[in-house]
Amino acid sequence: GAVVSQHPSWVICKSGTSVKIECRSLDFQATTMFWYRQFPKQSLMLMATSNEGSKATYEQGVEKDKFLINHASLTLSTLTVTSAHPEDSSFYICSARTRDTGELFFGEGSRLTVL
Amino acid sequence: KQEVTQIPAALSVPEGENLVLNCSFTDSAIYNLQWFRQDPGKGLTSLLLIQSSQREQTSGRLNASLDKSSGRSTLYIAASQPGDSATYLCAVKGYSGAGSYQLTFGKGTKLSVIP
Repeated sequence: GAVVSQHPSWVICKSGTSVKIECRSLDFQATTMFWYRQFPKQSLMLMATSNEGSKATYEQGVEKDKFLINHASLTLSTLTVTSAHPEDSSFYICSARTRDTGELFFGEGSRLTVL
Repeated sequence: KQEVTQIPAALSVPEGENLVLNCSFTDSAIYNLQWFRQDPGKGLTSLLLIQSSQREQTSGRLNASLDKSSGRSTLYIAASQPGDSATYLCAVKGYSGAGSYQLTFGKGTKLSVIP
């Protein structure tokens, strides 16, 4: 199947700093990418939907100024957590939808720990 | 708003047993239903995808059924193995209006297969 790569897989940062997470579709073009957040023992929650070349659509309750999403190309979307705080510590997963079949593929996830 | 519930939240079985994981959803107007596996600290691996017009799908020792009218799906695992230990997530793809779709996840069932 198609491969979606996330980087970094694990990052630790100090409170107040910004962290960027990359999501790449390695062997297909993704017109749409989704960002999810998962807290321990909770289900995945959709944060935002990003379409290539346009602004991301955020779910209710997700601060767009805090979670900056850029989808500059058909193979790359980035999530930047600005001024991170300990409560932002979570597991962030991206998924990408193929341009031709519309099938969804998921990245391995990125664990963020904010000290 | 679609809600997805998975029962039980955790399950421990001895190796070799057959087991059933349950998933229920509140809105039967779905496009498809997927079962995923998530290993600790990892992303999601798609196991089975059932379209709304289908009743079941099989892959190896896994069998997933779908009863859309009652809002239920089951994942049957035959002859369980320690390597099956993981969290199993059910996700429903439904229409979110304006020609777009949304994936709603359950909280998952954590399966432990004891050697």
